[in-house]
Amino acid sequence: DQQVKQNSPSLSVQEGRISILNCDYTNSMFDYFLWYKKYPAEGPTFLISISSIKDKNEDGRFTVFLNKSAKHLSLHIVPSQPGDSAVYFCAASAILGGSEKLVFGKGTKLTVNP
Amino acid sequence: DTAVSQTPKYLVTQMGNDKSIKCEQNLGHDTMYWYKQDSKKFLKIMFSYNNKELIINETVPNRFSPKSPDKAHLNLHINSLELGDSAVYFCASSHRLAGVMYEQFFGPGTRLTVL
Repeated sequence: DQQVKQNSPSLSVQEGRISILNCDYTNSMFDYFLWYKKYPAEGPTFLISISSIKDKNEDGRFTVFLNKSAKHLSLHIVPSQPGDSAVYFCAASAILGGSEKLVFGKGTKLTVNP
Repeated sequence: DTAVSQTPKYLVTQMGNDKSIKCEQNLGHDTMYWYKQDSKKFLKIMFSYNNKELIINETVPNRFSPKSPDKAHLNLHINSLELGDSAVYFCASSHRLAGVMYEQFFGPGTRLTVL
């Protein structure tokens, strides 16, 4: 039962172009969404987040868009750089079973080619 | 200066053994977590402690027992290891305030291989 889905396991883009990573969720109780970036042999690191009361949040080259009606969010990276190559996890937060929990997607491996 | 550290980074052991993974955070957070990333790459919450009190306990076998001696430490002990326990285990920490979500900071992970 995947409540957070990242349907593209991988994405390859050219340096300087835009990277768009997508995420869909099924549980309407999710009220906070986060993107994490993970390099091999390291733990995930927080990248950017968005509250369900907003539809856009921007931080430098990273922008997250939220479409609540479609239960869809996306992460835009522009311009993409080779150092952005990593696995990106989408995560959603809600009070589930009485406690706040983060539910993660399976991740999308982004490769930015020089 | 590492924010969330885990030891060991790699752990290879035989079925039936008992092993522990240690986690420490120096961020002053009051909440710590254990996640499991299995072969399908899903990161799933196992346990969460807030101020040394267990607040999340997902459907995890009783062979897994977390222990929090203080707010900065959350250890994971696993009894009678099974092949299916092979995974990467991540520790994380965050602040926690009712109704407010704070981002979690993750350790580098412990890759457990059960032979």
